[in-house]
Amino acid sequence: DTGVSQNPRHKITKRGQNVTFRCDPISEHNRLYWYRQTLGQGPEFLTYFQNEAQLEKSRLLSDRFSAERPKGSFSTLEIQRTEQGDSAMYLCASSPESGQALQPQHFGDGTRLSIL
Amino acid sequence: AQSVAQPEDQVNVAEGNPLTVKCTYSVSGNPYLFWYVQYPNRGLQFLLKYITGDNLVKGSYGFEAEFNKSQTSFHLKKPSALVSDSALYFCAVRDLPMDSSYKLIFGSGTRLLVRP
Repeated sequence: DTGVSQNPRHKITKRGQNVTFRCDPISEHNRLYWYRQTLGQGPEFLTYFQNEAQLEKSRLLSDRFSAERPKGSFSTLEIQRTEQGDSAMYLCASSPESGQALQPQHFGDGTRLSIL
Repeated sequence: AQSVAQPEDQVNVAEGNPLTVKCTYSVSGNPYLFWYVQYPNRGLQFLLKYITGDNLVKGSYGFEAEFNKSQTSFHLKKPSALVSDSALYFCAVRDLPMDSSYKLIFGSGTRLLVRP
């Protein structure tokens, strides 16, 4: 168990640019989540994958956001035409299928996005 | 809608003294509750969960939490605080039972400062 890995750890970009983040979940974890955390707040749910299927998206996930998990392993989160309000910590979490809701989600260390 | 509230932005305690971090919840159906800790520039680490059973739940690093159904509370406790416990603590509830994503809904967080 090497934990959830997220890359890059930090991303600084100019407004209007596109950015992509990667998440590698704990191996054999079927469930993968993306959350966004702004300063002084708790994480807010963005989207959820079960294997390769994206089964739920939050209203927070505007058309500029897209997430994929093509082979049911790693996932990417892309933000197009970034805006100042996109500045946040983007957290990825994973959990196994077994035990349904009883299994805790394991979080990565996040990608901190700063928009200039 | 499921929600949790953390009424204290910050809790200060002296090392060696007991600590309590408060959380109240509002749910439809059975509550599935979690506590996570976040250190600076890191992701969330799972501490403990309440699903069913004993009202006193024991978790990692000597933490425990007391579930109180009548008061709809799930306070985090530790008998003797350490300076290294200083961090940001989040209470979370699993979303509605019929929601298959089992995404978490987080409180706004409580900063714990343990002074030497």
